[in-house]
Parts: sequence; C-alpha cells; structure tokens
Amino acid sequence: SQKIEQNSEALNIQEGKTATLTCNYTNYSPAYLQWYRQDPGRGPVFLLLIRENEKEKRKERLKVTFDTTLKQSLFHITASQPADSATYLCALDNDYKLSFGAGTTVTVRA
Amino acid sequence: DVKVTQSSRYLVKRTGEKVFLECVQDMDHENMFWYRQDPGLGLRLIYFSYDVKMKEKGDIPEGYSVSREKKERFSLILESASTNQTSMYLCASSFSQGVNEQFFGPGTRLTVL
Repeated sequence: SQKIEQNSEALNIQEGKTATLTCNYTNYSPAYLQWYRQDPGRGPVFLLLIRENEKEKRKERLKVTFDTTLKQSLFHITASQPADSATYLCALDNDYKLSFGAGTTVTVRA
Repeated sequence: DVKVTQSSRYLVKRTGEKVFLECVQDMDHENMFWYRQDPGLGLRLIYFSYDVKMKEKGDIPEGYSVSREKKERFSLILESASTNQTSMYLCASSFSQGVNEQFFGPGTRLTVL
C-alpha cells in the first residue's frame, strides 16, 4: 500500500541550529514533491516544490533535497528562529492530486 | 493574494443533522479540494473538482457529497452527520495547468455531538 512517513517524533531544537525533517514514501512515483507549513488552527501554507529531476532547492533559509532512489526528501531549516516553530507537511503528487504526510512539529527554543 | 475562505471557523452539530460547509476562492482557480485533518493521520482527501459541476472522489468519500455550481464555490455536504465526522475540514484550490501549489482556507473545526 502507499505510505508517506515523516519524522514520528516532534523536533525540539535550539535557536540558531539546523532542523532536518525527513519524508519517506513507498509505492509512489511522484514527479514532484511539495513542503507546506501549518500553524496551529490554520490551513497549510506552501513553502517549496522540488521536481524529480532536481536534487536540491533553496529558498532563503530553507533547503529541500529529493532522492528518488532512496524515495526520500529532506527539509532543512538553517539558522532556525522561534518564528519557525510550526508543523511541516510534505506532499507528493499522486495522479493530479496531492497526498500528504502527517507532518512533523518543530519547536525552536530561544 | 489568493484568498480561500470557509463559511465557519467552528461548528457544532448533532448526530443525524445535514451539514453544509462552504468554500469560496477568489483567484479563478479551476481545481478545488476538500480534506479532513485528524491528529496523526494528516490531511486526507475527501472530494475534489476540476471544473464547474465536475467532482471526483478522493480517498475517504463515504458519508460526504459535494456541489460545485459556480467556479469559485465548492460545498461539502454531510448528509447525516455522525460523531466520527468530528474533525478539522480544510478547503484548498489551485490552478489546473502545470504543477501548482494548493492554497488553503483557514479550516472549519466541526464537532458532532
């Protein structure tokens, strides 16, 4: 069956450190993968998209990698700040739709 | 900026009631989606629509129906609400051409008693 797995544990990190989130998938062949941020009580907000032929994508302090052989994406938040505290969702394209992981909650301590 | 609005932030209904959740987007998007979000399960797709009067079942359509009479509006209907439909409901929209991100509404927290 198809499965998308993100870090099962919440991530607690010190301000200034790098947070690394994982997204592993099975029985999908996504042409692209997206990452979203969700704050409590709000809808997800799009952050980054990476295509299957791209190894890495950056946007400000965010970096995403995509390894179709390992069936894995890594999402990095560098120089983290308390304002980065949120839940981060990965989403895979699935036949014109998106399939979402359950998300990883990140808390950045000042 | 794209804006997706949902009719209610919080809703409390009784078992057996018919419930309507409304979603409106203002960017002329072709695609619209309804998800529910439960702790540990992530977002699960209920129904989606590629165009006016078009609808497609998602992963968990049982107990739900949808209506899209106008391009900007996509309604989710719970014909007879049950307690296991207590959840956060999120609407989203996107362009149909190419690979595009989805824009989400703020969500409706529905409680069925």
